[in-house]
Amino acid sequence: AQSVAQPEDQVNVAEGNPLTVKCTYSVSGNPYLFWYVQYPNRGLQFLLKYITGDNLVKGSYGFEAEFNKSQTSFHLKKPSALVSDSALYFCAVRDPLKGYQKVTFGTGTKLQVIP
Amino acid sequence: DTEVTQTPKHLVMGMTNKKSLKCEQHMGHRAMYWYKQKAKKPPELMFVYSYEKLSINESVPSRFSPECPNSSLLNLHLHALQPEDSALYLCASSPEFDTQYFGPGTRLTVL
Repeated sequence: AQSVAQPEDQVNVAEGNPLTVKCTYSVSGNPYLFWYVQYPNRGLQFLLKYITGDNLVKGSYGFEAEFNKSQTSFHLKKPSALVSDSALYFCAVRDPLKGYQKVTFGTGTKLQVIP
Repeated sequence: DTEVTQTPKHLVMGMTNKKSLKCEQHMGHRAMYWYKQKAKKPPELMFVYSYEKLSINESVPSRFSPECPNSSLLNLHLHALQPEDSALYLCASSPEFDTQYFGPGTRLTVL
């Protein structure tokens, strides 16, 4: 079964500092990996995805993520955090061998950027 | 148009009421989804429609009844809900093998 883990419930970072939000996954095939952000009382917004190709993926709002197959990780990063980045972040995985519809979400990490 | 829309934004209903949630997309996506999300939790998949046919039902109680009238529309009919059904209901759509795009959600409160 596919699964994804976000080990940190909350990450605090000072404005201007680099940020990392961690994600590890488990699938039987080659994973499709996604990051979403959710602001309060809003739907999920797509940030970036990895399907194949370059292990470093660049996405919206200056975010990027690095796919590491040996460590089964897909950590979200940003070189310089903004207060407006404060939100709930979800990592998600899809196992193509299980069909394309079902995506498994991690439990979410609350990012707090401190001014 | 790269947007998924949902109506209404907020809904308050009694346990004996019948109501419907509506979702619409015009991106030509052939898969559409209903999720339920409790506060500070990940979305929980309820239903998936693929090419207008129900392909996944995650053992959702029958008081929730999905409907896909056409490739752009997805409805969720609600009847005899319980207070624990209060949540944010999210609709999403996706092309095959690719990213799901979410609507803003309907905040449902069951009294």
